Amino acid sequence: EAGVAQSPRYKIIEKRQSVAFWCNPISGHATLYWYQQILGQGPKLLIQFQNNGVVDDSQLPKDRFSAERLKGVDSTLKIQPAKLEDSAVYLCASSYPGGLVFTGELFFGEGSRLTVL
Amino acid sequence: DQQVKQNSPSLSVQEGRISILNCDYTNSMFDYFLWYKKYPAEGPTFLISISSIKDKNEDGRFTVFLNKSAKHLSLHIVPSQPGDSAVYFCAARANTGNQFYFGTGTSLTVIP
Repeated sequence: EAGVAQSPRYKIIEKRQSVAFWCNPISGHATLYWYQQILGQGPKLLIQFQNNGVVDDSQLPKDRFSAERLKGVDSTLKIQPAKLEDSAVYLCASSYPGGLVFTGELFFGEGSRLTVL
Repeated sequence: DQQVKQNSPSLSVQEGRISILNCDYTNSMFDYFLWYKKYPAEGPTFLISISSIKDKNEDGRFTVFLNKSAKHLSLHIVPSQPGDSAVYFCAARANTGNQFYFGTGTSLTVIP
């Protein structure tokens, strides 16, 4: 079974530029999450999708961050314009609620490391 | 506000001994708890979980204990092996919508 795919793995940009990250979840996983992990901290949830609908985006800085999940499969996270404090690893994860059966497990991709100069 | 806390940033243990990693939480709506292991330049991988209806779950060398009254859980690794050296994250799920909240992680070093 293929895992969660993310790209690019690394990105270096200057502040005020824009960047986009892509995620392809595990096939059949209805729930998709974007997390931001700043160095020395735990992953922080940015946005959670259930199929192509947003479940929770309360911690997404909506003035600069946007995310979409068209057709309920792939997802894109965009930052525009980037700030220095956006330097972090952006982790995509997916899970399979499965109706009454929920494994409780998130499957993570390898992450996209962003450096803003 | 940090709803899941791991107060020990790092831990060093001799190979063969027990490693105990601790985690505290504040939200009584959490009903499912997980431990993830993370190697450098990789995404976190699931290790073990426990439902709030249990107080212990065991999987090989890994055991998770849950004390709901104290809002505390711990991960025991026995015996510890050098390959266990990684960052361990505690996570908790809110029963209101499958949101997962993570602690700040504990870096475990197992010394051969």
